[in-house]
Amino acid sequence: DQQVKQNSPSLSVQEGRISILNCDYTNSMFDYFLWYKKYPAEGPTFLISISSIKDKNEDGRFTVFLNKSAKHLSLHIVPSQPGDSAVYFCAGGVYNQGGKLIFGQGTELSVKP
Amino acid sequence: DADVTQTPRNRITKTGKRIMLECSQTKGHDRMYWYRQDPGLGLQLIYYSFDVKDINKGEISDGYSVSRQAQAKFSLSLESAIPNQTALYFCATSGLAGNEQFFGPGTRLTVL
Repeated sequence: DQQVKQNSPSLSVQEGRISILNCDYTNSMFDYFLWYKKYPAEGPTFLISISSIKDKNEDGRFTVFLNKSAKHLSLHIVPSQPGDSAVYFCAGGVYNQGGKLIFGQGTELSVKP
Repeated sequence: DADVTQTPRNRITKTGKRIMLECSQTKGHDRMYWYRQDPGLGLQLIYYSFDVKDINKGEISDGYSVSRQAQAKFSLSLESAIPNQTALYFCATSGLAGNEQFFGPGTRLTVL
């Protein structure tokens, strides 16, 4: 049972345009969601999070939107830069499970100059 | 210096061998986690530990064991490695108050 799904394995975007990465989930108990970014040969690094009581969180070029009724969240990167090329993972967590996260499969973003 | 370190970074071993992957952290976090990453499957939780005396199985614990030797150290063992345990392994930590997890650089394990 895949509780968190990223159905697009890859995405290619032109530099300066918007990148939209999508994530669907089935577990309505998630209290928060996080996005991680991963470069080759490195561990994932935290990018941005959102509480389940919010519908939007913004940090610079990165915005995460949450649609609870659709059990869907998305990460928007505007404008996209070549350095954003990486694999992006979304993850959901439940507060009373002590920080345990359930990750999606990841989406590889390629931003072309 | 890196906050979360993993050793070795790369390891090739043979079927049936015992292998240990080690993780150390200087963040002072109580919570530590082991994940494996396979292509197309994302990160799957193997084991997690809330403190030295509290160890829990994750989604895919079969074939693995762990040891929390100290607050700063969390080791993952494969008692008898098999080829489908070939994967990238990540250690992570988190504090009590935060939701964010901090990851090590990973260990690439190949079982022949």
